Amino acid sequence: AQSVTQPDIHITVSEGASLELRCNYSYGATPYLFWYVQSPGQGLQLLLKYFSGDTLVQGIKGFEAEFKRSQSSFNLRKPSVHWSDAAEYFCAVASRNAGNMLTFGGGTRLMVKP
Amino acid sequence: DAGVIQSPRHEVTEMGQEVTLRCKPISGHDYLFWYRQTMMRGLELLIYFNNNVPIDDSGMPEDRFSAKMPNASFSTLKIQPSEPRDSAVYFCASSPGGAWQEQYFGAGTRLSVL
Repeated sequence: AQSVTQPDIHITVSEGASLELRCNYSYGATPYLFWYVQSPGQGLQLLLKYFSGDTLVQGIKGFEAEFKRSQSSFNLRKPSVHWSDAAEYFCAVASRNAGNMLTFGGGTRLMVKP
Repeated sequence: DAGVIQSPRHEVTEMGQEVTLRCKPISGHDYLFWYRQTMMRGLELLIYFNNNVPIDDSGMPEDRFSAKMPNASFSTLKIQPSEPRDSAVYFCASSPGGAWQEQYFGAGTRLSVL
């Protein structure tokens, strides 16, 4: 069964600092990988996704993520964090073999210090 | 398009009462997903539909939960009878394709069962 682990439950960074959120997945073949963001009181919004090809993918709001097959990781990065980035971030994995279902990690709550 | 619309946004009910949550997906989307989000269990897929047909309901916690999709523009999630442990935020999402496509989430229904 596919699974996703986000090791960091909470992260606090200063505004303007760089950010990296970790995500590890467990799946036999190449999965479809996603990062979603959830602002307080809102639903989830897609930041970026990886299916194949270039392992560094660009998303909205200045985010990027890198797929590393050897490490089974798909970490999310941003070079300079803005206060509006404070939210909860979810990594997710899907595959056709898993019946088209999306499996989410536990989420990482990001706080931004002024 | 207005996006995925869920109603009500908040629901407070007493244990034993029937609760019905509603969802209107984005027009043209063939897939509809129901999720539940709690602090303890994170984001869980309850059931999903393809072309109005339930495909996988293995995430439905027990027989008290049921979901229907009578047409392409409407779905309901019903809990009967409700219990305090059902308190959570319930999200509906729709997608134009399988789970490898972006899922568009509604704002959620926050359910409190007293």
